[in-house]
Amino acid sequence: AQSVTQLDSQVPVFEEAPVELRCNYSSSVSVYLFWYVQYPNQGLQLLLKYLSGSTLVKGINGFEAEFNKSQTSFHLRKPSVHISDTAEYFCAVSVSGGYNKLIFGAGTRLAVHP
Amino acid sequence: EPEVTQTPSHQVTQMGQEVILRCVPISNHLYFYWYRQILGQKVEFLVSFYNNEISEKSEIFDDQFSVERPDGSNFTLKIRSTKLEDSAMYFCASSDDNSPLHFGNGTRLTVT
Repeated sequence: AQSVTQLDSQVPVFEEAPVELRCNYSSSVSVYLFWYVQYPNQGLQLLLKYLSGSTLVKGINGFEAEFNKSQTSFHLRKPSVHISDTAEYFCAVSVSGGYNKLIFGAGTRLAVHP
Repeated sequence: EPEVTQTPSHQVTQMGQEVILRCVPISNHLYFYWYRQILGQKVEFLVSFYNNEISEKSEIFDDQFSVERPDGSNFTLKIRSTKLEDSAMYFCASSDDNSPLHFGNGTRLTVT
């Protein structure tokens, strides 16, 4: 069965500092990988996705993630965060390498301080 | 950009009552989903729906739950006899063959 582990429940960081949110997954089959962001009182918005090809994936709002097959990781990074990046970030994997059922991690709360 | 819309944003109900959570998926999407997030816990898959039938459901989606696409635009989740543990944020999502899931803003269900 597939699973997703987000190693940090909370990440505090100062504005303009770099940040990395960690995600590891386990799966016996090929998967698609996603990062979603949830701003307060809003739904889940897709940040970026990895399907195949280049292991470095760029998304919206200056975020990027790198797929590492050997380490089964898909860490999310941003070189310089803004206050407005404060949100909950969810890593997810889709089974069977499709867009259907998503398995989510527990989420990481990114808190950006001035 | 087209959006998935959910109503109501917050629903309060008494234990044992039936509730219907409503969703309008993106118009050209073919696949529809419900997920839920109990406060402080993971977002969990409940059910997927395609071609007017359930394509997959989780263990959580027992007989008290049902889904329906009553017309060409709405997609509903019915909880027949709510329990306290059904309190959660319920997210609707839709997709087509070649797109990731697009989520709505959720309905917060509070069972008292």
